[in-house]
Amino acid sequence: DAKTTQPPSMDCAEGRAANLPCNHSTISGNEYVYWYRQIHSQGPQYIIHGLKNNETNEMASLIITEDRKSSTLILPHATLRDTAVYYCIVRVAPVRAGNMLTFGGGTRLMVKP
Amino acid sequence: DVKVTQSSRYLVKRTGEKVFLECVQDMDHENMFWYRQDPGLGLRLIYFSYDVKMKEKGDIPEGYSVSREKKERFSLILESASTNQTSMYLCASSLWGLGGGVDEQFFGPGTRLTVL
Repeated sequence: DAKTTQPPSMDCAEGRAANLPCNHSTISGNEYVYWYRQIHSQGPQYIIHGLKNNETNEMASLIITEDRKSSTLILPHATLRDTAVYYCIVRVAPVRAGNMLTFGGGTRLMVKP
Repeated sequence: DVKVTQSSRYLVKRTGEKVFLECVQDMDHENMFWYRQDPGLGLRLIYFSYDVKMKEKGDIPEGYSVSREKKERFSLILESASTNQTSMYLCASSLWGLGGGVDEQFFGPGTRLTVL
């Protein structure tokens, strides 16, 4: 799986958009970009994933550059409850045996009032 | 609502004790996973299972074993607990074969194990 690089921490004002970057310059053509987050004292939570097109769901938007070497997770209106560690993961689509995730250090997002 | 539950949130055991961590999911998922999470090391996979009675080693299986006798239940066993197994243990489950790269793993709340 390709390696990802994320800033260790970011701040965001409540109500503003939070833009979390991720670099994955060694991504290969069949690897997806996944985002999870982990709120303090809870297990990780899936947010969104994409291959090459931009994606949006009820939680966030994912913008992937045309060369796929980087992506940005956007929380359009951050709330205090979005304070968490956000993990960007790059890997191939799951197969039956080997459907595992590897979490790196992530970005600690602090949403401030 | 989908749910993964773990038997304990906090557990304190002594060195050499046998420890059982239980995980139950109610989503009829084929895949189940045990991870441990340590500061600075991220999440590391210990074992996973893609079917009843099937198990595969993850990145750090040493000192652990697992059991999956029923689809909804995946147990992690520390045969003889050691202090370096003090950690947060997370269980997860997922479906597979949905296509489109779908790979949503549902995690339990975690068990913080302290081995004295």
